[in-house]
Amino acid sequence: GAGVSQSPSNKVTEKGKDVELRCDPISGHTALYWYRQSLGQGLEFLIYFQGNSAPDKSGLPSDRFSAERTGGSVSTLTIQRTQQEDSAVYLCASSWTGANTGELFFGEGSRLTVL
Amino acid sequence: TQLLEQSPQFLSIQEGENLTVYCNSSSVFSSLQWYRQEPGEGPVLLVTVVTGGEVKKLKRLTFQFGDARKDSSLHITAAQPGDTGLYLCAGDRNSGYALNFGKGTSLLVTP
Repeated sequence: GAGVSQSPSNKVTEKGKDVELRCDPISGHTALYWYRQSLGQGLEFLIYFQGNSAPDKSGLPSDRFSAERTGGSVSTLTIQRTQQEDSAVYLCASSWTGANTGELFFGEGSRLTVL
Repeated sequence: TQLLEQSPQFLSIQEGENLTVYCNSSSVFSSLQWYRQEPGEGPVLLVTVVTGGEVKKLKRLTFQFGDARKDSSLHITAAQPGDTGLYLCAGDRNSGYALNFGKGTSLLVTP
């Protein structure tokens, strides 16, 4: 498809398990973002990739969270030893460049529920 | 600390009414964007404002960027049920940093 694709769309896991969330950005977009959205809340910045530069990890809430972007395209967000407070919708977005006057194109998100 | 404060948090109005939502900060932004998010979907860009004092119109929606580039407003004229959604403002202070989002204004327009 032409848009940002995220998988899985829904994930239910038990506390303590590891989860991986995948984002396939729009082809040619050099910037990729991960945000987290709790129920009824705004978007909490997690991590930002721009081209070959070192990612901005300043939003990751703990060392249980990590992300990588392989080949400048697909990104995976990994949450280790999940906790109930990790339950949220994880949104991925991409844009043509890192210049923030550009439009962010969002996927539909991955809803994570930690029991 | 929330960089962008949006108000009101919730707004429920009837079709045909006018409304204004606000996005405020103590920081100066080089640009500010407004997104709308519908349930189960990702946010979609409505507008980007760059110049202090700038006003942009998108059909019944009017966006304004404050002169000092610290705040913005969104005014909707004659709201329609299709305007229902979560309105998010997002800004960046310097190129190279990820966008910071506000918590949003949840708007419900009833027929």
